[in-house]
Amino acid sequence: RKEVEQDPGPFNVPEGATVAFNCTYSNSASQSFFWYRQDCRKEPKLLMSVYSSGNEDGRFTAQLNRASQYISLLIRDSKLSDSATYLCVVKSPPNTGNQFYFGTGTSLTVIP
Amino acid sequence: NAGVTQTPKFQVLKTGQSMTLQCAQDMNHEYMSWYRQDPGMGLRLIHYSVGAGITDQGEVPNGYNVSRSTTEDFPLRLLSAAPSQTSVYFCASRRGGENEQFFGPGTRLTVL
Repeated sequence: RKEVEQDPGPFNVPEGATVAFNCTYSNSASQSFFWYRQDCRKEPKLLMSVYSSGNEDGRFTAQLNRASQYISLLIRDSKLSDSATYLCVVKSPPNTGNQFYFGTGTSLTVIP
Repeated sequence: NAGVTQTPKFQVLKTGQSMTLQCAQDMNHEYMSWYRQDPGMGLRLIHYSVGAGITDQGEVPNGYNVSRSTTEDFPLRLLSAAPSQTSVYFCASRRGGENEQFFGPGTRLTVL
């Protein structure tokens, strides 16, 4: 079973739309969760960390559901510049090496 | 700061050849890692280092060697290239105690 699973998409949405991505993780002891953004043929960059109580950064909202081992990212008022692949990342607990596990990514294209 | 730099950007090898992918960072980060990214697989950890002189294996270490003689440099050596090692390789670094990873621009490797 993969450590992190994501719907690969693609998601094609019009400008101004709201879109949500989901991710599940297998290790219930995982402590830290993140969303990274990767533009085509570029390196991944941290978009935001995901906190237990949920957190917001402008148009982006991240949620964590520990009981269901589920992470989500909501993008409101989509912009053309939001077109990218969004990677769900989970950090394993210290007793299993503090390693980062990446999902395969969800592709988003925002259409004019 | 240049951040994380990787060379070369592109490389084509024949089966059986060896080569070294270079990675350097100028942020004085303790942790450095090598990942490979393949379609449908997400980023997978090859090797990592928690400081100069200390390295450990990640999820997919076979066929690769690393060393960390300085804080700044973390080269990845392919001992005898195989077509299965065709991939995009990313180097990343982070400060100890923090979670944000900074990635280099990647090396696109093709093994014929």
